[in-house]
Amino acid sequence: DGGITQSPKYLFRKEGQNVTLSCEQNLNHDAMYWYRQDPGQGLRLIYYSQIVNDFQKGDIAEGYSVSREKKESFPLTVTSAQKNPTAFYLCASSKRTSGEQYFGPGTRLTVT
Amino acid sequence: EDKVVQSPLSLVVHEGDTVTLNCSYEVTNFRSLLWYKQEKKAPTFLFMLTSSGIEKKSGRLSSILDKKELFSILNITATQTGDSAVYLCAVEATSGTYKYIFGTGTRLKVLA
Repeated sequence: DGGITQSPKYLFRKEGQNVTLSCEQNLNHDAMYWYRQDPGQGLRLIYYSQIVNDFQKGDIAEGYSVSREKKESFPLTVTSAQKNPTAFYLCASSKRTSGEQYFGPGTRLTVT
Repeated sequence: EDKVVQSPLSLVVHEGDTVTLNCSYEVTNFRSLLWYKQEKKAPTFLFMLTSSGIEKKSGRLSSILDKKELFSILNITATQTGDSAVYLCAVEATSGTYKYIFGTGTRLKVLA
C-alpha cells in the first residue's frame, strides 16, 4: 500500500538535546513538507522540499533543520535552538504540480 | 502577508443539523483551495477547489469557492457524530515554488 509514514509516534526528550523525526513516503511524490501543530492553531509550515537535494524554509524554520537526500525521505531535526519544541509534527507529500497533500500520522514530541 | 482565516473557531450542533464552515483568504498567486478533515492525527483530504462557482460534492459534504470575494464554504448536511472533527482550510500559492497556507481550523462537535 502506498502511503506516508512517520516515526516515532511519541517522542520524549530532555531540553538541550537534538532530536530527529523520520518521514518516509512511497507515493513517488516529488514534494514533501513539515508542519507543526499547536493546540488551537492551524498547521504552520517549517520546511518544504520540491525535489531531491533542495529545500526551502517555511514560516517557522528557526531551530529546525532538514535534509532531502532521497526522494522517499525527508527527516526533520529539532535542534536545541528551538525555544518551544513541544508540539505535534506532521509530515506531508504531494505531487509537484498537484494540490492534494497526503499526511503522515504525526509525531508528538515532548521536551522537558 | 499571506493569510487564511476560518470561522467559526468552534461549533457545537446536534445530529441532523446542517452546518456551514467558512474560509476566507488573502494570498498572492492563488492556485487552489483545499479542505481537510482532522479527527485525531493526520488530516484527510476532502476537496480541492480551483474554479469559482463550481460546487464539489461528496455525500453529505459540499464546497464552493468564490475567487472574486476570496472565500470558500464547506457545508455538511444531516450531520452525524462521526462528522465531529477539526476542519482545516488551506490555500495553495505559487511564487516560484508551491506552498500551502493553513487556517487555524474549525472544531465541529456533533452531539447525539
